[in-house]
Amino acid sequence: AQKITQTQPGMFVQEKEAVTLDCTYDTSDQSYGLFWYKQPSSGEMIFLIYQGSYDEQNATEGRYSLNFQKARKSANLVISASQLGDSAMYFCAMREPLNFNKFYFGSGTKLNVKP
Amino acid sequence: EAQVTQNPRYLITVTGKKLTVTCSQNMNHEYMSWYRQDPGLGLRQIYYSMNVEVTDKGDVPEGYKVSRKEKRNFPLILESPSPNQTSLYFCASSFSGSADTQYFGPGTRLTVL
Repeated sequence: AQKITQTQPGMFVQEKEAVTLDCTYDTSDQSYGLFWYKQPSSGEMIFLIYQGSYDEQNATEGRYSLNFQKARKSANLVISASQLGDSAMYFCAMREPLNFNKFYFGSGTKLNVKP
Repeated sequence: EAQVTQNPRYLITVTGKKLTVTCSQNMNHEYMSWYRQDPGLGLRQIYYSMNVEVTDKGDVPEGYKVSRKEKRNFPLILESPSPNQTSLYFCASSFSGSADTQYFGPGTRLTVL
């Protein structure tokens, strides 16, 4: 079974609007970390936001927030007030520290912000 | 400056010719990892290391070798590259806690003819 599933290969959003990128995960561990990374066309991987499995509050970092629904095993990224520079690939990832400390990535969502 | 460096950034080679991609980090991270990125598949972990002389297989280790003789370096070795190893490769490092994000190198674009 896929550990991380991102069901939206590509998305469009109008500049200044909010957008939600979906991510579901599969784990039987109680302790895990969830991450989102951005990959612009230049290729580098940029860390955006982290959510711990024991965190009760949703994580926020500037215009990024993570909508964490533990029972549904969902960790969606919300980008508010989209900017043209947000056009990129976005990857959801999970770290299982008690399971050999492995990282798992989803297949990514390509976001295009329209002016 | 805290960083992960990879060399070379681009490499075109032929089937069967052994190659090494170097990776080095200056953040004193215990954990280092190699990934390959292919369209539609995201990043897949090849090998990872939790400390010096401790390495383990990720999800796609076939055809690759690694070593971790020093904390800062984690080279990826392709002893007999094949065309299906044409990909974009990333090295990453982090501390070992569940909350610790990885820091990625700039990537190595490998083409095997």
